[in-house]
Amino acid sequence: DTGVSQNPRHKITKRGQNVTFRCDPISEHNRLYWYRQTLGQGPEFLTYFQNEAQLEKSRLLSDRFSAERPKGSFSTLEIQRTEQGDSAMYLCASSWQGLAGGPGANVLTFGAGSRLTVL
Amino acid sequence: KNQVEQSPQSLIILEGKNCTLQCNYTVSPFSNLRWYKQDTGRGPVSLTIMTFSENTKSNGRYTATLDADTKQSSLHITASQLSDSASYICVVSASGYSGNTPLVFGKGTRLSVIA
Repeated sequence: DTGVSQNPRHKITKRGQNVTFRCDPISEHNRLYWYRQTLGQGPEFLTYFQNEAQLEKSRLLSDRFSAERPKGSFSTLEIQRTEQGDSAMYLCASSWQGLAGGPGANVLTFGAGSRLTVL
Repeated sequence: KNQVEQSPQSLIILEGKNCTLQCNYTVSPFSNLRWYKQDTGRGPVSLTIMTFSENTKSNGRYTATLDADTKQSSLHITASQLSDSASYICVVSASGYSGNTPLVFGKGTRLSVIA
């Protein structure tokens, strides 16, 4: 297993275009998270999946954003009609969360991120 | 409100020197606290994870401490190297949730190690 993989690593697009990012999590992990990070800030939660079910979405995730994890494995994050304010690093992370939870639960492994620049 | 505050915001030290980064949190109920290292343009990489009962945990030249009573953690870096230049992010996890286990991120401390 090579960890969490994200593609593309960099994307430059013009305002109004659609972009899609892909995340391949660690294969044994049942949870997959998307975060957004801007310069000088910590990651901000966008959404997460438990297997193929999208269980929570942040208010940061406007209608232009959609995420899928169709088979409970890889995930895609699509941004429609991009705006300059969408420029950020989009981080994917995965984890194993058992039913019992516990103090060691939900330890995230992050991918290298996909950097989006909207001109 | 669950919050994680880190200090200092940025730090510049000479190669070979030691430094300590601070993290104060108000997350409750507490589950665990992690320190991540994030190189510029990369995703965060886990350094340590500490639960309620752990006071100290080391990972090479990195030593994290946790005081659950005062809700403070520190990350001490010994004999700094140029490759330690990065952002260090403190993340606190709440417990007791059957759904998403909320993770509260600090904004990070930007460390620059210079020769």
